[in-house]
Amino acid sequence: DIVMTQTPLSLSVTPGQPASISCKFSQSLLHSDGKTYLNWYLQKPGQPPQLLIYEVSSRFSGVPDRFSGSGSGTDFTLKISRVEADDVGLYYCMQSKPLPPTFGQGTKVEIK
Amino acid sequence: QVQLVESGGGVVQPGRSLRLSCAASGFTFSGYAMHWVRRAPGKGLEWVALIWNDGTNKYYADSVKGRFTISRDNSKNTLYLQMNTLRAEDTAVYYCARDRPPYDTGGPSYWGQGTLVTVSS
Repeated sequence: DIVMTQTPLSLSVTPGQPASISCKFSQSLLHSDGKTYLNWYLQKPGQPPQLLIYEVSSRFSGVPDRFSGSGSGTDFTLKISRVEADDVGLYYCMQSKPLPPTFGQGTKVEIK
Repeated sequence: QVQLVESGGGVVQPGRSLRLSCAASGFTFSGYAMHWVRRAPGKGLEWVALIWNDGTNKYYADSVKGRFTISRDNSKNTLYLQMNTLRAEDTAVYYCARDRPPYDTGGPSYWGQGTLVTVSS
């Protein structure tokens, strides 16, 4: 089974400053079809999760461009260029191939 | 727009059963794989189950394999999760979610608001 490690588990950020979250895997996520199925989600308090980034670096519909994803193989990063108050919540990475899908442990982002 | 509305949650005793439903609208339901994902109190998201758009393939988390069954009725645009032999650790908010690419799986994209399942005597 794939082992995934998401870090840090919590992050306190000053508004306007950048933030970065990492996900590392025990094996490469590069699929035989040439794509890498690594997504990032944000769950704001009291809301369902929302998809931010899919396939490592593609922003989902309506996601602000201050959110970006990067990485390849086993190491991936979500970056928020300038954190806003509305960005608080729990961030999760998720690999969706190979099956079964698995979520990272989650990173709690709060505002200083 | 895509809408997913879960129902069927509630309080149930350990060892009993419950069936969750998810009514979908705003997209061609038969064209997308669907997921169930849960979040237990104080814990992170846990993927539970996946069903292919035509129901031919189903996948489960080890924690629910043999106890939960995912199914769908494409004529009714409805997704189901039959939960048997429930345990206290199944207590969670259960979300249904639509997959992102049609006729494939790439992870959940659109999510319902969730339904709370509490397993307690």
